[in-house]
Amino acid sequence: DVKVTQSSRYLVKRTGEKVFLECVQDMDHENMFWYRQDPGLGLRLIYFSYDVKMKEKGDIPEGYSVSREKKERFSLILESASTNQTSMYLCASTPPTSGGPLSGELFFGEGSRLTVL
Amino acid sequence: GQNIDQPTEMTATEGAIVQINCTYQTSGFNGLFWYQQHAGEAPTFLSYNVLDGLEEKGRFSSFLSRSKGYSYLLLKELQMKDSASYLCAVLDSNYQLIWGAGTKLIIKP
Repeated sequence: DVKVTQSSRYLVKRTGEKVFLECVQDMDHENMFWYRQDPGLGLRLIYFSYDVKMKEKGDIPEGYSVSREKKERFSLILESASTNQTSMYLCASTPPTSGGPLSGELFFGEGSRLTVL
Repeated sequence: GQNIDQPTEMTATEGAIVQINCTYQTSGFNGLFWYQQHAGEAPTFLSYNVLDGLEEKGRFSSFLSRSKGYSYLLLKELQMKDSASYLCAVLDSNYQLIWGAGTKLIIKP
């Protein structure tokens, strides 16, 4: 069974703290993504990576950075957390497809719910 | 701008049929996805439509009309476990995925 695992389901942090969200997939997928999910809004892409050490900004990269040192692991970093980053964060992966990284089925992790106080 | 519209919430009865609509206005079109997301869980893939028409997969069917910018997800013989949010997403001409806010489906006995 395919699996995307996010290390923390629930986190509570204080404003200004550095936050690491880890995501690991066991499907040997090239493409990995970080989304945030907020009530009343569609999923918004923060960053994605199509290969080790490669990263591309999504729609809302401000205040975030990412790291992909190994193929199976994609980390989202909040250098200095702020209250407006309180959200559900979803990691996803896809295998390579002819139409681009998002053309195929996305495999999601269960999400990391971050609260910034 | 690009826009995906879905009803926020729908209620249906166990054993019945429900249709969840999705209308879109995007820069081009390269396919439409439906995902199911149970509360507190990961979204999971349900269907992908790129050509007009109805695609059936067990109790679930998905319909697409590209000329009308419209899709629906049809769920038959509803079960309590179908209570979930249903997310519509469109792949635009740049192969970017545009997401709707999701429809929360409540099934009552």
